Amino acid sequence: DAGVTQSPTHLIKTRGQQVTLRCSPKSGHDTVSWYQQALGQGPQFIFQYYEEEERQRGNFPDRFSGHQFPNYSSELNVNALLLGDSALYLCASSLVGGLGTGELFFGEGSRLTVL
Amino acid sequence: SQQGEEDPQALSIQEGENATMNCSYKTSINNLQWYRQNSGRGLVHLILIRSNEREKHSGRLRVTLDTSKKSSSLLITASRAADTASYFCATDVNTDKLIFGTGTRLQVFP
Repeated sequence: DAGVTQSPTHLIKTRGQQVTLRCSPKSGHDTVSWYQQALGQGPQFIFQYYEEEERQRGNFPDRFSGHQFPNYSSELNVNALLLGDSALYLCASSLVGGLGTGELFFGEGSRLTVL
Repeated sequence: SQQGEEDPQALSIQEGENATMNCSYKTSINNLQWYRQNSGRGLVHLILIRSNEREKHSGRLRVTLDTSKKSSSLLITASRAADTASYFCATDVNTDKLIFGTGTRLQVFP
């Protein structure tokens, strides 16, 4: 049973560019959450997708957007990259179905470096 | 912003010793979870304790929760070098998302 998979694992972009990160949830999971983790910090909640809609959003600007597909996979898009966007981006899946927050299963992350 | 804050920020111990890390949070919760993260990797779920529970065990892990003080502690007994990692507490807010704390970096020396 495959766990949460993320791609790419590493990428380097320059300021002003756009990036798309991808996530496939654990089999049977219906909810995907995205987190940003700066070096030495805890993960910061970006947003959560359930039933192809953004259900919750953290304190991130509109440059951060996402999408969930019918197969529950998800994308995170970041436009107009800033140096401060350099971080490890973590995708986590769960089986929630609107019933509350249980255990999250994390992927290994996509490390984004903005130059 | 962080909901939880772990204490201490860093902890160094010898193999065989116990490691205790604490988490304080700000708002009412439904449950509190602890996660582990090896350097630069994804997080792994360790244990979940619900707001109506006071203590929970899982192997060498013992978690306590004091909702009146809005705090939790994670005890790792008989630590091993392989326990070296960062440990995060996470609380659910509005039952829709988990908010993570700042983490404790644990170093266990052989």
